[in-house]
Amino acid sequence: NAGVTQTPKFRILKIGQSMTLQCTQDMNHNYMYWYRQDPGMGLKLIYYSVGAGITDKGEVPNGYNVSRSTTEDFPLRLELAAPSQTSVYFCASLGRAVETQYFGPGTRLLVL
Amino acid sequence: AQRVTQPEKLLSVFKGAPVELKCNYSYSGSPELFWYVQYSRQRLQLLLRHISRESIKGFTADLNKGETSFHLKKPFAQEEDSAMYYCALIEGTYKYIFGTGTRLKVLA
Repeated sequence: NAGVTQTPKFRILKIGQSMTLQCTQDMNHNYMYWYRQDPGMGLKLIYYSVGAGITDKGEVPNGYNVSRSTTEDFPLRLELAAPSQTSVYFCASLGRAVETQYFGPGTRLLVL
Repeated sequence: AQRVTQPEKLLSVFKGAPVELKCNYSYSGSPELFWYVQYSRQRLQLLLRHISRESIKGFTADLNKGETSFHLKKPFAQEEDSAMYYCALIEGTYKYIFGTGTRLKVLA
């Protein structure tokens, strides 16, 4: 049982490039989340999903897109990377039975 | 809008001293509140939640609806308590709102 996994661990992007941050969970959780963590700003919710095929915007969705075709996967897409998207990105999942979010190890993204 | 406020970015205390990490919230209803912790080079993880009324690693937190607070307390800080602490609440159907976090440093 790997829990929540994220790839890559670290990535450098040039302005305007695109990439997908991968997130997978093997706990059969319905709810999944994407956050960004900026120094002094805490965790900001980007997008979340309550099940396969259902996604919704969080506090800071601009510049990002998500999809949820399966229960396990919840990729985050950056279409046109900007320096303001330099951050650490965390994926998390939550099961109905236990109201505890399980976090992935994070992806550190640097946009130059 | 629902909000979680952690007024202190950094809190330094000496080992053995009491610790109180402040958290205030605004929520129109009965909130579900949590404390999450992130130790150095580890994943963010749940520390405790108010509905459980439990003590984890010596930490407790009491929900005060009158003051809209959910402060995290420990009577005697230990060096291994040094970490980043986040207060959070659930809005609606499992949408989490996190505070900005407080870094706790316990000095020897």
